[in-house]
Amino acid sequence: DQQVKQNSPSLSVQEGRISILNCDYTNSMFDYFLWYKKYPAEGPTFLISISSIKDKNEDGRFTVFLNKSAKHLSLHIVPSQPGDSAVYFCAARKAAGNKLTFGGGTRVLVKP
Amino acid sequence: SAVISQKPSRDICQRGTSLTIQCQVDSQVTMMFWYRQQPGQSLTLIATANQGSEATYESGFVIDKFPISRPNLTFSTLTVSNMSPEDSSIYLCSTSGGRAYEQYFGPGTRLTVT
Repeated sequence: DQQVKQNSPSLSVQEGRISILNCDYTNSMFDYFLWYKKYPAEGPTFLISISSIKDKNEDGRFTVFLNKSAKHLSLHIVPSQPGDSAVYFCAARKAAGNKLTFGGGTRVLVKP
Repeated sequence: SAVISQKPSRDICQRGTSLTIQCQVDSQVTMMFWYRQQPGQSLTLIATANQGSEATYESGFVIDKFPISRPNLTFSTLTVSNMSPEDSSIYLCSTSGGRAYEQYFGPGTRLTVT
């Protein structure tokens, strides 16, 4: 049972434009959602998170939107830079737990 | 966030052998986690390691196959026992950050079993 899904395995975007990454979940018990970036041969790097009681969180070029009724979140990267080329994972945490459940990842390629 | 290192960074092992992966954190942390990322797959939690108690394993993972030690608040090991090619994966350790819901990851250990 895949509780967190990223339906787009890859995304290609021009430098300077917006990257939009999507993530869907099924479990209503998730209370925090996180995005991670992963370069090859490195561990995932935490990017940004959002609480289930909010609908938007912004940090520099990164904004995460949460639509709780649709069980959907998205990560916007504006403007995209070549250094943003990586695999992005969304993850979710169940309330009062510690376990993170990860989506399958989206590979982003930012073209100069 | 804590700085996390892992040893080895990669290894090629023969089936039937065991490998112990070390995870070192530069500060004391309560919880450490071990994940597996199989080729082309997402990250899956193997177990949670608390100092002074037995590790808590997720469904599908057992202590005999993945014994974990947590001797102090900065160090943990994961052993992959009696390896088969299906164990070829990246193994990652992580710790909770300043906010309990955030986790920070080590660089991973890439294991290939032949």
